[in-house]
Amino acid sequence: SAVISQKPSRDICQRGTSLTIQCQVDSQVTMMFWYRQQPGQSLTLIATANQGSEATYESGFVIDKFPISRPNLTFSTLTVSNMSPEDSSIYLCSVVPSGGPSTDTQYFGPGTRLTVL
Amino acid sequence: QKEVEQNSGPLSVPEGAIASLNCTYSDRVSQSFFWYRQYSGKSPELIMSIYSNGDKEDGRFTAQLNKASQYVSLLIRDSQPSDSATYLCAVSNTGGFKTIFGAGTRLFVKA
Repeated sequence: SAVISQKPSRDICQRGTSLTIQCQVDSQVTMMFWYRQQPGQSLTLIATANQGSEATYESGFVIDKFPISRPNLTFSTLTVSNMSPEDSSIYLCSVVPSGGPSTDTQYFGPGTRLTVL
Repeated sequence: QKEVEQNSGPLSVPEGAIASLNCTYSDRVSQSFFWYRQYSGKSPELIMSIYSNGDKEDGRFTAQLNKASQYVSLLIRDSQPSDSATYLCAVSNTGGFKTIFGAGTRLFVKA
């Protein structure tokens, strides 16, 4: 499986500010996703990060609030904009490696724990 | 709304026992099924994937799939306290363009 890193691992931010989370993979991947996991909850897909084009957002998530970039096959960023306390959550990057055993097995990064005051 | 349902638990088993975790899904065209383990404060870790009806064994873990009943389960034999975690069931359609995660079952293995 791919080695996935996320930066920052955690942050405490003020209301109204923005935070950009980075996801770096050590090998090329076919698909990259961004999830949110609120305390005690399961994973909610925010969007699919598409290489070289606009991300595909799930219902309830919009580009103005969660802009995503994916400039190449190994890197993506998620920005949480104009943050409110309701954005406090763990944000997770996941990938489907190229040439892996299947086309749909996702592997997760270590996550970014965000607290908004 | 396509759904993946799991009993939230907690499921408590004694050390050495078999832990049985269950999951049902609503989308009949689902092709791929996964079990992830998530320790508190950590990210999900893939344990097993299964694609065909029947059983698939990997060490102490056995995944069972019954597409007719839209049911997938995970058995953990000889449960250890280190198996205490939340187990997430995930279901994907062809190509993985849409993977739905269940809410997870919390497992406690008592020493």
